[in-house]
Amino acid sequence: DAGVIQSPRHEVTEMGQEVTLRCKPISGHNSLFWYRQTMMRGLELLIYFNNNVPIDDSGMPEDRFSAKMPNASFSTLKIQPSEPRDSAVYFCASSLRTVNTEAFFGQGTRLTVV
Amino acid sequence: AQSVTQLDSQVPVFEEAPVELRCNYSSSVSVYLFWYVQYPNQGLQLLLKYLSGSTLVKGINGFEAEFNKSQTSFHLRKPSVHISDTAEYFCAVILTGTASKLTFGTGTRLQVTL
Repeated sequence: DAGVIQSPRHEVTEMGQEVTLRCKPISGHNSLFWYRQTMMRGLELLIYFNNNVPIDDSGMPEDRFSAKMPNASFSTLKIQPSEPRDSAVYFCASSLRTVNTEAFFGQGTRLTVV
Repeated sequence: AQSVTQLDSQVPVFEEAPVELRCNYSSSVSVYLFWYVQYPNQGLQLLLKYLSGSTLVKGINGFEAEFNKSQTSFHLRKPSVHISDTAEYFCAVILTGTASKLTFGTGTRLQVTL
C-alpha cells in the first residue's frame, strides 16, 4: 500500500481565496483524521471520521473550515475564505478502528496564505 | 479529559550517549500510549506503542519505552543515539473504549551532535 496520500504537498494562496486539501486514506482503514501543525500550537486534531461519518469536529477552528468524506477512499478539508493565520502544515491520518491502533500519517500539505 | 505533557521542548545530546525523552499523561480511565517521530518535512511515523501486557515496549530504531501506571508516565529511551535520530518526538494517548482519537503532546526536539 502507498500509505496515506495527501495533495497538494505545498499550497500558496492569497488571503480570501478558497483552499481545498485532499486525502486518500490507506485502503481498508475506517477512521480518518485531519490535524493541523503550527509552531505555536503544535499538533491539533481538527476533525475525525469513522466509517465516513464525522464523529468529532470540535477542533475545527471556525466556520471557515469544513471537511467532508464522501466515500471510504477520499476526504477533503476546505478553508473558505482563507486567512494568513491559517498558514500551517495540515496532516491527514487513517487507522483501523477495530482495535485502538495507531494512526498512519500522510506527508502533509504545507499551506501558506499571503 | 485526557492530556499529554512532554516536559522538555528540546534535548541536546552527543552521539552515542543515552537519551530519555519524558512523557506524562493524565486520564481517569485506561489509555493506550504511543511515541511518534517526525523528521524534517515529513509526516509522523510510529516508533512504538503500548496497548497492554508488558510495560516495557520495544520499537524501531533501537528505541524503547516503559509504561508506569503509578507515575502516569511513558518515557522514551535509547541507550546510544545517532546523528540520524535528530528529529521531533511526540508522545500521544488514546482513551480505551473510544474511537481512535489521538491526543498529542507538544513534542520534544532531539538534537544529536558529534
